[in-house]
Amino acid sequence: AQKITQTQPGMFVQEKEAVTLDCTYDTSDPSYGLFWYKQPSSGEMIFLIYQGSYDQQNATEGRYSLNFQKARKSANLVISASQLGDSAMYFCALRRSNYQLIWGAGTKLIIKP
Amino acid sequence: DGGITQSPKYLFRKEGQNVTLSCEQNLNHDAMYWYRQDPGQGLRLIYYSQIVNDFQKGDIAEGYSVSREKKESFPLTVTSAQKNPTAFYLCASSISLTGPNEQFFGPGTRLTVL
Repeated sequence: AQKITQTQPGMFVQEKEAVTLDCTYDTSDPSYGLFWYKQPSSGEMIFLIYQGSYDQQNATEGRYSLNFQKARKSANLVISASQLGDSAMYFCALRRSNYQLIWGAGTKLIIKP
Repeated sequence: DGGITQSPKYLFRKEGQNVTLSCEQNLNHDAMYWYRQDPGQGLRLIYYSQIVNDFQKGDIAEGYSVSREKKESFPLTVTSAQKNPTAFYLCASSISLTGPNEQFFGPGTRLTVL
């Protein structure tokens, strides 16, 4: 069965520190993709970063990077130099072979000033 | 600006009534999706549409119905058959169903059934 697990329900991080949000997945598909989204309190989901299973390098988008360890089936999101505006829910999602996404339960990140 | 609009933002209905949630996009995307989000949980797929006049059931389609008569619009009807309809509903679209295309989301509709 395909599954996404985010083991950290909540995290507190000091402003300007780096933070790693964990995501592990389980799939038997040879080709798949992993997405990270941010959900502020307003409710809208905001796309952050994508990693394909065959991508040779870890994805990066500005302050966001994805620590992709294929053998361990993990795709952790790293946010460098955290800001107060980073406080939100963060969701990891796995793209299945039928192209649908399955979602983790999310991690609530709170940045402390 | 291009984007996805959902209306209304908050919706209250009496138990037993059908209700339709609106979703419109002007991104010229072929694929559209409806998700349900419950507190403390990730999103679950209700229905998706790859192209006009075609749609497929997702993981939790029971008690819901959709239509895709126009590329821009993908309304969701929550019927009285849905046993626990109170939730946050998110509409999304992507360039196509296939490939690594990210999904763009609307602001959501919070439905409360009294």
